[in-house]
Amino acid sequence: DQQVKQNSPSLSVQEGRISILNCDYTNSMFDYFLWYKKYPAEGPTFLISISSIKDKNEDGRFTVFLNKSAKHLSLHIVPSQPGDSAVYFCAASVIDSWGKFQFGAGTQVVVTP
Amino acid sequence: DTGVSQDPRHKITKRGQNVTFRCDPISEHNRLYWYRQTLGQGPEFLTYFQNEAQLEKSRLLSDRFSAERPKGSFSTLEIQRTEQGDSAMYLCASSAGQGYQPQHFGDGTRLSIL
Repeated sequence: DQQVKQNSPSLSVQEGRISILNCDYTNSMFDYFLWYKKYPAEGPTFLISISSIKDKNEDGRFTVFLNKSAKHLSLHIVPSQPGDSAVYFCAASVIDSWGKFQFGAGTQVVVTP
Repeated sequence: DTGVSQDPRHKITKRGQNVTFRCDPISEHNRLYWYRQTLGQGPEFLTYFQNEAQLEKSRLLSDRFSAERPKGSFSTLEIQRTEQGDSAMYLCASSAGQGYQPQHFGDGTRLSIL
């Protein structure tokens, strides 16, 4: 069963504008969420995380928002840069599951000049 | 480079053959994970080690799959009698300690079954 869903397989955004990636989950026990970026032929690279005790976390150009009541999280990238073109995965875990993460199917982001 | 290292990067084999992959985690990380990723999907959890102990295995891990982590350092994933459906990217990740810790991934081993 797919407990983490990224319903937008692709996103095109102009350089300098904001990219907003969305992720929904169904398991209310999830309490730790991460976003990964993946380039072709490379493994996923950790971007940013958020625990369920927070509703926002920022790291430079990246901000993750968590809405627990809606079981929804989003990643904002501003401003978008050409190097941000990649596949982005959200992942969720339950703290006592030894860090076993469930991943969404990913969103392909293309940043155009 | 002190990241997660996987070998080989690409393995092509005939159906029915056995294959073995190796993962070297970040040295101070005591947790090690194996995932499988197919086209258009996110990584799917296969198994998890805390030091040398294999603590959880997914239902995806059939009897043809076995993983080890002797001495709590590197890990191997073996697939016996490979099938077409085993074609995928096999990813290894490691993390440190307990609590909220991100996993750091290697670049994966792409398995192609002829």
